[in-house]
Amino acid sequence: NAGVTQTPKFRILKIGQSMTLQCTQDMNHNYMYWYRQDPGMGLKLIYYSVGAGITDKGEVPNGYNVSRSTTEDFPLRLELAAPSQTSVYFCASHRDSDLDTQYFGPGTRLTVL
Amino acid sequence: QQQVKQSPQSLIVQKGGISIINCAYENTAFDYFPWYQQFPGKGPALLIAIRPDVSEKKEGRFTISFNKSAKQFSLHIMDSQPGDSATYFCAASIRNTGNQFYFGTGTSLTVIP
Repeated sequence: NAGVTQTPKFRILKIGQSMTLQCTQDMNHNYMYWYRQDPGMGLKLIYYSVGAGITDKGEVPNGYNVSRSTTEDFPLRLELAAPSQTSVYFCASHRDSDLDTQYFGPGTRLTVL
Repeated sequence: QQQVKQSPQSLIVQKGGISIINCAYENTAFDYFPWYQQFPGKGPALLIAIRPDVSEKKEGRFTISFNKSAKQFSLHIMDSQPGDSATYFCAASIRNTGNQFYFGTGTSLTVIP
């Protein structure tokens, strides 16, 4: 199993550009999440999904969108990038409601200039 | 406001010593309390977790102590090793809800040989 994979690892965007952060898991996990990690602030939940076709907002959803068309993939879309979206983004997943099976991806470091 | 408060922000421990990191929460509905270990450039990894029906859980050198009445829980790392040097995050969650998952701000642990 590859676990949770994220692409790209690094990206620099200009203000106003858009991009999609990719996340894929091969563990057949129903639950998937997107977090952002800012220095000294811990991780904050952006969006989550409990299965294909079902998504919902987390604590900090503004400026982001998600979709979940398959169990494996959970892409995060940034529209009109802003400097405030400079952060490290982590995708995570777990099986059903079993949080003990939670895994995180390696992260995407995004800089918006 | 910060749902989970973590201290200290940084910690330096001699090899072989005990590392102790503390977290506090307010929401009594939280029913899952995990700790994560994160190395530089990597995603967080679930280290150990506890549910509020027990006061202590031990896995190898890592122990969670949980005080329900005080709404506090802590991570103890016994016989700390240089390889334990990492950032540690506590979190609190309400299981079976996708979005009730809150992280502490992290503790940077350095174990001196």
